[in-house]
Parts: sequence; structure tokens; C-alpha cells
Amino acid sequence: GAGVSQSPSNKVTEKGKDVELRCDPISGHTALYWYRQSLGQGLEFLIYFQGNSAPDKSGLPSDRFSAERTGGSVSTLTIQRTQQEDSAVYLCASSLGLAGAATDTQYFGPGTRLTVL
Amino acid sequence: AQSVTQLDSHVSVSEGTPVLLRCNYSSSYSPSLFWYVQHPNKGLQLLLKYTSAATLVKGINGFEAEFKKSETSFHLTKPSAHMSDAAEYFCVVSDTGSYIPTFGRGTSLIVHP
Repeated sequence: GAGVSQSPSNKVTEKGKDVELRCDPISGHTALYWYRQSLGQGLEFLIYFQGNSAPDKSGLPSDRFSAERTGGSVSTLTIQRTQQEDSAVYLCASSLGLAGAATDTQYFGPGTRLTVL
Repeated sequence: AQSVTQLDSHVSVSEGTPVLLRCNYSSSYSPSLFWYVQHPNKGLQLLLKYTSAATLVKGINGFEAEFKKSETSFHLTKPSAHMSDAAEYFCVVSDTGSYIPTFGRGTSLIVHP
């Protein structure tokens, strides 16, 4: 079946512009994560959605970052007034969202490479 | 609290020789531990995971890892490296009851012919 897809694969924008990144999770997966991966760094957690519960936004680095998930499926990560330090690869992952969430395997999309000039 | 340390940022091996990627973790509770692999310009893919069953875990592509509680380690090994193993490897820890895993900074595996 289809895996996690993300669009666009690459995005180049000018400082100060807003960008939207999209994630289509695996059908039936109730949990969805956004991460940021900067060069030479591990994955930085941004936000977590689980079903219809309120998202865990504790990883968002500033109020310029926001995300939503419509109908428990597609998610959009929005970055307003982009800065050069926002340049990174943004990865989306989904998982079944079982009760034992710690043991869930995450399935990752290929990422969106964001470059802010 | 949970944390993970990958002890080497880069590991270089020759094709056909053993691979060892080191990972130490810290966890308040019984952890779940994972290794993911990321090939260039690709998303991460699960290699293997430990979830309190057998301490020696076998994964895909001939990789395995051993959970050693006394050493708080979860090192990844493979008897014989292939060129296709060249990639970035991430060790991940997640405490029981936690839904936000912690990723290590990654180890870049370089395989020489």
C-alpha cells in the first residue's frame, strides 16, 4: 500500500514569506508527527497528533509555526514569516497510534527540504 | 526523562568487514529502543526495535542489536558490511507511556570497496 507522502519535496522561499508543507499519512494511522532535521543534527520533534485529541505542540520552536490535521488524516505545517534558520528538512511520520505508543513503529515520508533565502 | 547518545558521528568500514554502531540511552522507565536507517534523500526506515521481549533483536538486512540494561546500551551490529549499507543510522528511545521518542544525532556509516 501507499506509504507516507509529503509535498512539495523541495521549497525555496524568501525570508519573510509564509510556507505550507503537506503530509498524507498512511490510511488508518491515527498518530501523526512532524519533525525537523537540520544538517548534521538528529530529528527535532515539533508536534504530535493523535486521533481527535488536542495536539501536543510542545516542540514548536516559535509562534510562527503551526500545524493542523483535517479529518484525522492530512496534515499541514505552516511557517509564517520564514527566517533563514528555518531552513531544514521537515519530516512527517505516522503510526498506528496504539495504546502502547512507546512501542509503535513510525513510518516516515521522504521529507520536504525547505530553503529560506 | 529519556535521552540517547550515539557515540560516533561517523563510522568507516571496508565492504565485508563487521559493523558496530554504538548507542547508549537513559530512561526513567522500561524503554523501547529502535534503530532507523536513512538513505540519502529518503525518509527514515525501521531496522529493528526492542520492546521488552528478547534482548537480542534481529532486524532487516542482517542487522541486529542487543539490549544491555546493565550497560544502558543498544549497539547495532552486522557481521559483514555491504556497499548498500552506507547511510545515516539513528538510535531512538521511548519511555513506557511516552508517545514522543527521542532521536540520537545519527551515525553516518561509510562503506569502502
